[in-house]
Amino acid sequence: NAGVTQTPKFQVLKTGQSMTLQCAQDMNHEYMSWYRQDPGMGLRLIHYSVGAGITDQGEVPNGYNVSRSTTEDFPLRLLSAAPSQTSVYFCASSWGGHQETQYFGPGTRLLVL
Amino acid sequence: AQKVTQAQTEISVVEKEDVTLDCVYETRDTTYYLFWYKQPPSGELVFLIRRNSFDEQNEISGRYSWNFQKSTSSFNFTITASQVVDSAVYFCALSETQGGSEKLVFGKGTKLTVNP
Repeated sequence: NAGVTQTPKFQVLKTGQSMTLQCAQDMNHEYMSWYRQDPGMGLRLIHYSVGAGITDQGEVPNGYNVSRSTTEDFPLRLLSAAPSQTSVYFCASSWGGHQETQYFGPGTRLLVL
Repeated sequence: AQKVTQAQTEISVVEKEDVTLDCVYETRDTTYYLFWYKQPPSGELVFLIRRNSFDEQNEISGRYSWNFQKSTSSFNFTITASQVVDSAVYFCALSETQGGSEKLVFGKGTKLTVNP
């Protein structure tokens, strides 16, 4: 099993550009989520999904969009990138929600100029 | 509201020293879960332990041990005989259910440096 995979590993954007961070898992996990990690801030939940077709907001959802059309994939879209979205983004999946162990992807480092 | 506090931003020790990383949490729920994750310099997040609120038994795994005390809302992590490979950022996290919605909140992390 590949576990949780994320692409790209690193991306540079200009302010106002849009892009999609990809996340996929092959563990048949129903639950997937996106976090951002900023220096001194820990990890903060952006959006999460409890299954295909169901998504919900986390702590810092503004400026991000998600959808979950399949169990395997959970892409994160930046609609109009801003410098404040410069961060490291982690995707995670688990069997049954936030009370279960989260399996994290390797992360995507995003720089918005 | 929930909150996880890791008061120690950075800790530096010499190899073979014991070190304890503190985690204090706040929750109104009676059912909740606590976690520790490790983030080595390579950047990935590695699961270390999961504990539910009804299980106050301390746990030991090799050089790692965890002390869960509901009376003080603490879930501290001790590394015995630290090694250079233990150098990492360690995160404590709390999960609880509020209004049918589960949320996971991380502390800001403690950066541990183990010097040879």
